[in-house]
Amino acid sequence: NAGVTQTPKFRILKIGQSMTLQCTQDMNHNYMYWYRQDPGMGLKLIYYSVGAGITDKGEVPNGYNVSRSTTEDFPLRLELAAPSQTSVYFCASRQQGYLNEKLFFGSGTQLSVL
Amino acid sequence: KNEVEQSPQNLTAQEGEFITINCSYSVGISALHWLQQHPGGGIVSLFMLSSGKKKHGRLIATINIQEKHSSLHITASHPRDSAVYICAAHHPTSGTYKYIFGTGTRLKVLA
Repeated sequence: NAGVTQTPKFRILKIGQSMTLQCTQDMNHNYMYWYRQDPGMGLKLIYYSVGAGITDKGEVPNGYNVSRSTTEDFPLRLELAAPSQTSVYFCASRQQGYLNEKLFFGSGTQLSVL
Repeated sequence: KNEVEQSPQNLTAQEGEFITINCSYSVGISALHWLQQHPGGGIVSLFMLSSGKKKHGRLIATINIQEKHSSLHITASHPRDSAVYICAAHHPTSGTYKYIFGTGTRLKVLA
C-alpha cells in the first residue's frame, strides 16, 4: 500500500490564482480530512469527508472547496488565493476500529501565496 | 484556552535521558492519539489510547480519562527521537469523527 499520497510538495501562488491539492489513498478508508498547519498552531480542520459523495466544513473552510467523487480521492481546491492561505497543508485518512483506529497523513504541501 | 494543551512546548535532552511529554484536554473524548512529526514535516501515528497504557519499543503512552491527561514517555532517548510530538483528542460530535490537535512539543535530543 502507498498509504496517503499528496501532491504537490511545494507550490508558490500569486494572489488571485487558483490551484488544486491532490490527495489519494489506497487503504479504502471512508474518513478523509484536510488540515492546515500554521507556525505555533495545532492542525486546523478545513474540510472532511465521511465517504464518497459526502463532505462537510471544518473549522476554517473559507476560501477552500473539496469534492469526494471516489473513496480514494479527496482533492482540495483553493480559489482566489490570498496571503492568509500561506500554510502547510496535510491530507489524512482514518482507519476505523475500536482498538486499532489510526490516522494516516500525506507528506504535506508547503504553499506560499505572494 | 485551547481544548488540548501540551507541555512543555520545547524540550532539549541529552542522549539516554528519560523524557515525558504531557497532554491535557478539557473536552470529552473517546480516544487520544500521539503523533510524531519528523523534521522533514511528515506526520506518523504512534499510538491511539482510550484507556490505560500502551508500549511500543522505547515509547510508552498512558492516559487517565478521569483526570483528562495523557503522557508520552521515551526511555533511553536517542538523537533520532528529535521531532515534534503532537497529541490529538478524538472528539465525536454528531456522529462524525473530528480531532482537536495540540500545538506540539518540539523535542531535541543531543548526542
